Amino acid sequence: DQQVKQNSPSLSVQEGRISILNCDYTNSMFDYFLWYKKYPAEGPTFLISISSIKDKNEDGRFTVFLNKSAKHLSLHIVPSQPGDSAVYFCAASDSGGSNYKLTFGKGTLLTVNP
Amino acid sequence: DTGVSQDPRHKITKRGQNVTFRCDPISEHNRLYWYRQTLGQGPEFLTYFQNEAQLEKSRLLSDRFSAERPKGSFSTLEIQRTEQGDSAMYLCASRGAGTEHGYTFGSGTRLTVV
Repeated sequence: DQQVKQNSPSLSVQEGRISILNCDYTNSMFDYFLWYKKYPAEGPTFLISISSIKDKNEDGRFTVFLNKSAKHLSLHIVPSQPGDSAVYFCAASDSGGSNYKLTFGKGTLLTVNP
Repeated sequence: DTGVSQDPRHKITKRGQNVTFRCDPISEHNRLYWYRQTLGQGPEFLTYFQNEAQLEKSRLLSDRFSAERPKGSFSTLEIQRTEQGDSAMYLCASRGAGTEHGYTFGSGTRLTVV
């Protein structure tokens, strides 16, 4: 059972435009959400996160939106740059446990075209 | 560079052989995680250590898998009698106390079982 779902395996956008990556979750116990970026042959790199007590978190070109009622979050990148081309993973955590393990989606391959 | 180090980066082994991977976390991080990523999937949690104590193991960790973290420093993941289904990227991550969601991942060990 996929508790974190990224339904778009890939997304292609033009440089300078907005990239919107989506993520849905099913486990109501998840209360912390993260986005990771991964280049080939490297480990995931933390990008941005959001707690369930917020509905928006912004860091430079990256903004994450959380809609708890819909169990949906999205990552907005604006403006998109060719260096943003990578696989983006959505991850969720249940802070009620003590180990803060992450449950990941399958990832979305973002390609930003010059 | 004081990031998370994993060794080896790549391992090719014949089916039925045993393999061992090593992870050196960030020195001040007392929490250590192993994840596995197969093609087209996101990372999946395998096991978690706090200091030298292994506090959680996923059901993905069959009895052919064993992980240790002697003295709460580096960790090893051993797979006995490897099978082709074990082919994956094995990722190690660490975090410090008080940084519940601040994972740092290593670059991973890619295992290919032939």
